[in-house]
Amino acid sequence: QSALTQPPSASGSPGQSVTISCTGTSSDVGGYNYVSWYQQHPGKAPKLMISEVSKRPSGVPDRFSGSKSGNMASLTVSGLQPEDEADYYCCSYAGSNSWVFGGGTKLTVL
Amino acid sequence: EVQLVESGGGLVQPGGSLRLSCAASGFTFSYHWMTWVRQAPGKGLEWVASINQDGSGNYFVDSVRGRFTISRDNAKNSLYLQMNSLRAEDTAVYYCARHVTYDYADWGQGSLVTVSS
Repeated sequence: QSALTQPPSASGSPGQSVTISCTGTSSDVGGYNYVSWYQQHPGKAPKLMISEVSKRPSGVPDRFSGSKSGNMASLTVSGLQPEDEADYYCCSYAGSNSWVFGGGTKLTVL
Repeated sequence: EVQLVESGGGLVQPGGSLRLSCAASGFTFSYHWMTWVRQAPGKGLEWVASINQDGSGNYFVDSVRGRFTISRDNAKNSLYLQMNSLRAEDTAVYYCARHVTYDYADWGQGSLVTVSS
């Protein structure tokens, strides 16, 4: 049950694109198509942004997209906007009814 | 509108116990797995425990197994987390979350648990 690996920080200017990686193992990210991404603003509860690797829940802007290759998943935010500045966490199903989160990435909009 | 409201947090001494509750509304509670996720101050999210729809299956992260119990009352649309033998490292905001498939579609606002003498 080791945490997934995310870069501590990422940044981009308004309008640019930024990609956040999430690296796991064949026991979690690589083994299942059940990677999700959550956005968390300071002092707020997390919000689901991407489910099942690449599905966008209703209401999530299409600027947010997800993908996976092997043991690494990625979240891309295109056309960065100031309100996208937040912490982002990946999460993967890890088998045997357990889940594991990444350490989180602080996204700064310059 | 889905609502999840946690309660029961507070200050407790090491070795003590605390019971968190999560009141659910706006969806058919008995249809969904439910989960507790915690976040230590200034740290990331950590999956703590999950329970299936009828409560017959419950699952825990290694660090709390044997100390924490997760349960639910579908008649009361409520989720619980009984926390025993609390340690300083259990200090965190505890969120309840509703599963949709394998994801956490909805979250409560969180309840702060502080373990300190």
